[in-house]
Amino acid sequence: DTEVTQTPKHLVMGMTNKKSLKCEQHMGHRAMYWYKQKAKKPPELMFVYSYEKLSINESVPSRFSPECPNSSLLNLHLHALQPEDSALYLCASSSFGQGNTEAFFGQGTRLTVV
Amino acid sequence: AQTVTQSQPEMSVQEAETVTLSCTYDTSESNYYLFWYKQPPSRQMILVIRQEAYKQQNATENRFSVNFQKAAKSFSLKISDSQLGDTAMYFCAFMEYGNKLVFGAGTILRVKS
Repeated sequence: DTEVTQTPKHLVMGMTNKKSLKCEQHMGHRAMYWYKQKAKKPPELMFVYSYEKLSINESVPSRFSPECPNSSLLNLHLHALQPEDSALYLCASSSFGQGNTEAFFGQGTRLTVV
Repeated sequence: AQTVTQSQPEMSVQEAETVTLSCTYDTSESNYYLFWYKQPPSRQMILVIRQEAYKQQNATENRFSVNFQKAAKSFSLKISDSQLGDTAMYFCAFMEYGNKLVFGAGTILRVKS
């Protein structure tokens, strides 16, 4: 099983809404990631959790708040977003440091902020 | 900071032919990992192939193979017997200690019938 599952697949939200994106993996990976991707551009790293602790925050605005409840789950809480935050949000997990390094992505959440 | 450079914004190839996508990277580390990902129009990011820097042997996965030149910091992807389903954006990515997975700008590959 090399699956990373993200929900929802699509999300439309107003600028005053609060919503959450969810990500789940059962490969035993201990690193999980959030990326933001605009069309025809590479993914931009937002956050990295390593062994359930936030290890990298790429100076992301505080309207994005990550959470890692356990080793299989990763959430991204959204509040007071701007239209320019509309993008594809990708979750990934990796087994870096666990022997056979691999990194897999979920299918993404297409977020539109109106 | 590590950087990944893909110098070919777009490429095209005839069906059944071979194409090579280029990637160079910069790092001062000796242990790291390199990946090629495919992103078709569905925008699902699919792992195509990976290479550990400490392994001298080039990775292969069916029609996909890499030419890893550690001294030159080069990691090219060769696709043999190209198929229409290979049409996608291809990203080269780099990971070193600290778990940071960094991507190149991508190459759009179009396979023509």
